[in-house]
Amino acid sequence: GENVEQHPSTLSVQEGDSAVIKCTYSDSASNYFPWYKQELGKRPQLIIDIRSNVGEKKDQRIAVTLNKTAKHFSLHITETQPEDSAVYFCAASTNNNDMRFGAGTRLTVKP
Amino acid sequence: ETGVTQTPRHLVMGMTNKKSLKCEQHLGHNAMYWYKQSAKKPLELMFVYNFKEQTENNSVPSRFSPECPNSSHLFLHLHTLQPEDSALYLCASSPGQGGSGELFFGEGSRLTVL
Repeated sequence: GENVEQHPSTLSVQEGDSAVIKCTYSDSASNYFPWYKQELGKRPQLIIDIRSNVGEKKDQRIAVTLNKTAKHFSLHITETQPEDSAVYFCAASTNNNDMRFGAGTRLTVKP
Repeated sequence: ETGVTQTPRHLVMGMTNKKSLKCEQHLGHNAMYWYKQSAKKPLELMFVYNFKEQTENNSVPSRFSPECPNSSHLFLHLHTLQPEDSALYLCASSPGQGGSGELFFGEGSRLTVL
């Protein structure tokens, strides 16, 4: 089955700096790669996703890149703000509705 | 309100009890999921149902028994659990058609096994 690795497990940045979180996956059949944000005590919520026919996608301060050949994808957050502090999860899924998640990255943005 | 409702939100049970977790979605989705979230293994996939049929059982112990009577409802029946089963159990749904898509999560059921 799919195995998703995520790094780093914790990340601390100064407000205004950029944050980058990286993930790798093992199943070449995976074609959907979402990123979820989970604030303390709340449910995970989708912030951005990318499909395998696209190499990069951007939504305001958030961007995701995908390298299918190397089986890795990354989340980039620019101009970080304290409200970006949360746990971020990457995930990978095939057409079989079998989404598997990375172990999560706890991002802390210091004011 | 994301349209996925879980009850109860908190549950404390002894190892010999039988209890059930309930999930209901009002999004018209066809796929429903159970995930276990603990400090040791965040967001671990347990079960997937697609059009009421179980399509994934991620080597989950038989003390967890899922039930999906229709595309809107999903249950997780719990029996003779262990303390290490204490975790947040998250239900999710997705459109289910054409394969992969965004998961919509419920608030979760926080389970404590004494």
